[in-house]
Amino acid sequence: QSALTQPASVSGSPGQSITISCTGASSDVGSYNLVSWFQQHPGKAPKLIIYEVTKRPSGVSNRFSGSKSGNTASLTISGLQAEDEADYYCSSYAGSNSVVFGGGTKLTVL
Amino acid sequence: EVQLVQSGAEVKKPGESLKISCKGSGYSFTTYWIGWVRQMPGKGLEWMGIIYPGDSVPRYSPSFQGQVTISVDKSIRTAYLQWSSLKASDTALYYCVRVGRSQNSINWIDPWGQGTLVIVSS
Repeated sequence: QSALTQPASVSGSPGQSITISCTGASSDVGSYNLVSWFQQHPGKAPKLIIYEVTKRPSGVSNRFSGSKSGNTASLTISGLQAEDEADYYCSSYAGSNSVVFGGGTKLTVL
Repeated sequence: EVQLVQSGAEVKKPGESLKISCKGSGYSFTTYWIGWVRQMPGKGLEWMGIIYPGDSVPRYSPSFQGQVTISVDKSIRTAYLQWSSLKASDTALYYCVRVGRSQNSINWIDPWGQGTLVIVSS
C-alpha cells in the first residue's frame, strides 16, 4: 500500500479558510467512506478531528470539516486561529485490517 | 475518561529484545481493538497492525509482518509490541491506539497513547 498524498505545507492568515487535500487510490480512499483526519502539535500525540469523511468527534470545533470526491479527501479549516498551527494527517481504511496514512501537512498560521 | 497509557522511553543496543506496553482505562477493554502506529524521526505515520483483546489474534500490516509481535493480556487491560532483535532502523516513536470497527472495517482511531520512544544505538 502506498501512502496517501498530502501537500507538504499550507499556510493562511488568522480568520481565513484553508483546505488540505489527501489523494489516494480506488483501493482505499475511493473504496471506503472511512477517511479520518488527525491534528498533531509538536511533541504531542495525534488527535482525531474528523472520521468517516465528515463526522466530528465530540469536543472538536465545527471550524473543522471534511469531504471526499472520488479518490481525494479534503479537510477544511475555517476561521483560522493561531492554535490551529500543527501537522495534519489523513488516513483511510485500505481493506484487510489495514489503514494507510498520508505523509502529513504542516499548517502555518501567518 | 478513555485513556491509553504507554510504557516509558527505551534505549537499546542492536540485537537486543524489547517489549513495550499500552494499558487501557475508562472503557470496556474487550470491546475495542488496539492498534500500533510507528512514527520515525521527522516522518509520518505508519500502520503496524491491530489486535482484538477478545481473541488475542494479531493482524499485521505486510510491512511489519515478521518484524514485530503484537500481543494482549485482557486480564490486565494491556497490549504489547515486542521485538526479538532490534535494529537501528527500529528507532522511532511508537503509538498505541484504540480502534473502532464496524463490519470488519476500521472506522475511527481514538484516542492515541502518549507514545513510547525507542532508540536503538550501539
